[in-house]
Amino acid sequence: DTAVSQTPKYLVTQMGNDKSIKCEQNLGHDTMYWYKQDSKKFLKIMFSYNNKELIINETVPNRFSPKSPDKAHLNLHINSLELGDSAVYFCASSQRTGRNSPLHFGNGTRLTVT
Amino acid sequence: GDSVTQMEGPVTLSEEAFLTINCTYTATGYPSLFWYVQYPGEGLQLLLKATKADDKGSNKGFEATYRKETTSFHLEKGSVQVSDSAVYFCAHKGEGGKLIFGQGTELSVKP
Repeated sequence: DTAVSQTPKYLVTQMGNDKSIKCEQNLGHDTMYWYKQDSKKFLKIMFSYNNKELIINETVPNRFSPKSPDKAHLNLHINSLELGDSAVYFCASSQRTGRNSPLHFGNGTRLTVT
Repeated sequence: GDSVTQMEGPVTLSEEAFLTINCTYTATGYPSLFWYVQYPGEGLQLLLKATKADDKGSNKGFEATYRKETTSFHLEKGSVQVSDSAVYFCAHKGEGGKLIFGQGTELSVKP
């Protein structure tokens, strides 16, 4: 009964390829997020959706496109992968957008671009 | 802009030692404050939170108090165990929904 699940756990691919990461939450939360963790463990928000509507869009290259088919799913598609995209990508959800709702994280997808 | 600053790691302690990890923040408005823990190869787990000034969050022997006057939320534990070895992240969240993290502090506890 995993709360926030991401697939795949590991993704190894070559430069120039297109790949997707899927995320699902079974917590009944309204808001979902994508975070990127770099090699120094620094975590930065990329996107956030609330009830399928994009509400946070940080300065992320256009090659990254989130898609939320319903409020339990938030997928991340990456076009024309570059070496610098190598990182761990975390999906998260929260009950609401507001300050008092903590985020619940998935176990991450380690993306390696060669 | 909004940010969170944590003490540099790695922090190495012997079992049963006292732990403090310092955290300060800058924020517009009145954020909630959180500590998350990341064990090797895993995602982030919420450790504790505080939503208003002078609130104390606590869990598994860890504590942190929301100090508005010093914009701080230091994490403490009286007696650490080897199993506490992990990376600890301080974070704040405003009404806009963005959870902003500090750079993380790696803790290593030796037997």
